[in-house]
Amino acid sequence: EPEVTQTPSHQVTQMGQEVILRCVPISNHLYFYWYRQILGQKVEFLVSFYNNEISEKSEIFDDQFSVERPDGSNFTLKIRSTKLEDSAMYFCASSFGGLTGYTFGSGTRLTVV
Amino acid sequence: AQRVTQPEKLLSVFKGAPVELKCNYSYSGSPELFWYVQYSRQRLQLLLRHISRESIKGFTADLNKGETSFHLKKPFAQEEDSAMYYCALSATDSWGKLQFGAGTQVVVTP
Repeated sequence: EPEVTQTPSHQVTQMGQEVILRCVPISNHLYFYWYRQILGQKVEFLVSFYNNEISEKSEIFDDQFSVERPDGSNFTLKIRSTKLEDSAMYFCASSFGGLTGYTFGSGTRLTVV
Repeated sequence: AQRVTQPEKLLSVFKGAPVELKCNYSYSGSPELFWYVQYSRQRLQLLLRHISRESIKGFTADLNKGETSFHLKKPFAQEEDSAMYYCALSATDSWGKLQFGAGTQVVVTP
C-alpha cells in the first residue's frame, strides 16, 4: 500500500535556527497538507497546497512558515526561525483530490531547545 | 467557524464491553465527518467516513444532524482497540482541510 514518508522522524534544533521538514507524498496525489500536534493538544491544520501554490492556510501559518514542492516528489515545510513553541509533531498528508485517498505520514517530532 | 468536540479525554473499558466515543460538531453547512485512529505513536489512520456508512473493525458511527453528533460505537471492545481516536470534520468550502477534535484515549483492559 502506498505511503506518505516523512523524514526525519525526530529533529532537535536550537531556538532561532531554520528547520526543514521533508515529506514524500504518494506519487499520483495532487493535494498536500501539513498539520501539527503540540504534545497533549489536538491535531491542527497548518496549510494545504495544490498546483504549486497554497490553497488555504491557518492563523498558525505565519511568515515564519513556508512550503515548497521543489522537485515534483518532495513537499517541504520550512520554519525560518524556530521558537520553543514550535516544538510539536508535524504530520504531512496527501490526497488525490480533496478527501479522496487522504493519507497521513508518520510524522516528524520537532524539538526546539 | 467549525468546531469538533470530543468531551472524553480518556475512556477505560473492559474487554468485551461496549464502547462509545462521543463527538459533537458545529458547522452551518453539510459537513463530512470522519473518525481517525492513532495506535501508539503511529500515523493517523482513517477508521470511518460517514458517507461510506461502513463498519470497520466492528466500529460504526452514525451522523445525527439533529443532534450534530457523530458518535463512534463498538459493541464488544478488544484489547487491540486501545488507541487514540480523533473525530474530524471537513467543511464543504474547505477542500481537504480537516478540523480535528481533541481526541479520546481508549484503554481496553482484560
